[in-house]
Amino acid sequence: DTGVSQNPRHKITKRGQNVTFRCDPISEHNRLYWYRQTLGQGPEFLTYFQNEAQLEKSRLLSDRFSAERPKGSFSTLEIQRTEQGDSAMYLCASSSRGLDTGELFFGEGSRLTVL
Amino acid sequence: QKEVEQNSGPLSVPEGAIASLNCTYSDRGSQSFFWYRQYSGKSPELIMSIYSNGDKEDGRFTAQLNKASQYVSLLIRDSQPSDSATYLCAVNIRRGAQKLVFGQGTRLTINP
Repeated sequence: DTGVSQNPRHKITKRGQNVTFRCDPISEHNRLYWYRQTLGQGPEFLTYFQNEAQLEKSRLLSDRFSAERPKGSFSTLEIQRTEQGDSAMYLCASSSRGLDTGELFFGEGSRLTVL
Repeated sequence: QKEVEQNSGPLSVPEGAIASLNCTYSDRGSQSFFWYRQYSGKSPELIMSIYSNGDKEDGRFTAQLNKASQYVSLLIRDSQPSDSATYLCAVNIRRGAQKLVFGQGTRLTINP
């Protein structure tokens, strides 16, 4: 399978714990995005990487959230001191070109439930 | 005003009919437009992209863009029960910006 891969697919955690999600983009794609989606809403942009550089970051990404893409390949999204409001689907997407002409391809998502 | 707006539905269409999904956006400088299909519990799947005014057809799907009216639509011809899903409109609202803004999605049900 050469699509965007995310893991874990599901994570249940207690409030206050830290969680980390991993995303492996399509191999030739140098652009990587994280989105968050809650029930009944469209995905909301969190952050964007081009190669290893984090070039855009949403105000939604509080200090408890950090994303990295250390070698320009896979990426991790860490949430520290989780809160119940963090419960959502975390979606990773990748692209080979900028959005002016390119398209985003999403992974299957990592669903987070904070108890 | 939301940056990207869609009717949340649900929109119910008989099998074999044309389903019409609509989306408006607020930023006149928006450059690229996308339709995604999302089945319940799954991630969004790209159906169509459109970058210039007019129609773009791909199989049973036609995307229509009218930048003057800040309006983009998706037509699904010969609707099938398997088309039942939530359809998300996404807009790259500023040239050079690397984020898509999504509408809340329209839930479409095709009735056999």
